Amino acid sequence: DAKTTQPPSMDCAEGRAANLPCNHSTISGNEYVYWYRQIHSQGPQYIIHGLKNNETNEMASLIITEDRKSSTLILPHATLRDTAVYYCIVRPLNLIYNQGGKLIFGQGTELSVKP
Amino acid sequence: EPEVTQTPSHQVTQMGQEVILRCVPISNHLYFYWYRQILGQKVEFLVSFYNNEISEKSEIFDDQFSVERPDGSNFTLKIRSTKLEDSAMYFCASSEGRPWGTDTQYFGPGTRLTVL
Repeated sequence: DAKTTQPPSMDCAEGRAANLPCNHSTISGNEYVYWYRQIHSQGPQYIIHGLKNNETNEMASLIITEDRKSSTLILPHATLRDTAVYYCIVRPLNLIYNQGGKLIFGQGTELSVKP
Repeated sequence: EPEVTQTPSHQVTQMGQEVILRCVPISNHLYFYWYRQILGQKVEFLVSFYNNEISEKSEIFDDQFSVERPDGSNFTLKIRSTKLEDSAMYFCASSEGRPWGTDTQYFGPGTRLTVL
């Protein structure tokens, strides 16, 4: 399973963009990069995912490098409610079912958004 | 917006007792999952379930654990004889079953299990 490396913690000023990096140098060609976040002990919340192209949705943007060895999650205008642990996950495939398999969570990045 | 729901939110039990944690996945989803998170530790995968059978399980998911979809809406995790180390948050998740890596898992709010 591809391993990810994230900084343990980051700070961001409210209203500014939060850029959360992730290294996944051992990623395979058919593995997607997923981002989730967890606020306190709530259930992980899906943010965004991508394969090789940059992606944007209402929550965030995902920038994946051309070699796919790293990615950056961008929260364009961070608010206090974005304070959470952010997880970058490289998702292995369940080849028996031809379907995305389990999510393997690391320690993530604890993002603190400050006023 | 459809959500995964879990009951109870908090379960307290005595060591050695059986517990059943309940989940209602999103209605058109086909894949179901259980994860757990011991306090202060990582979220860990336990098991995935599709077409009324286990599709994948972790080393944690031993004979003490079982899963079931007893009807068209509920998905349950049973722990037969709880141990102190089973104390954790248990999260249920579900996904549509889209092909390859595009299948997003959506998580419930969790059940906090405390074993005394």
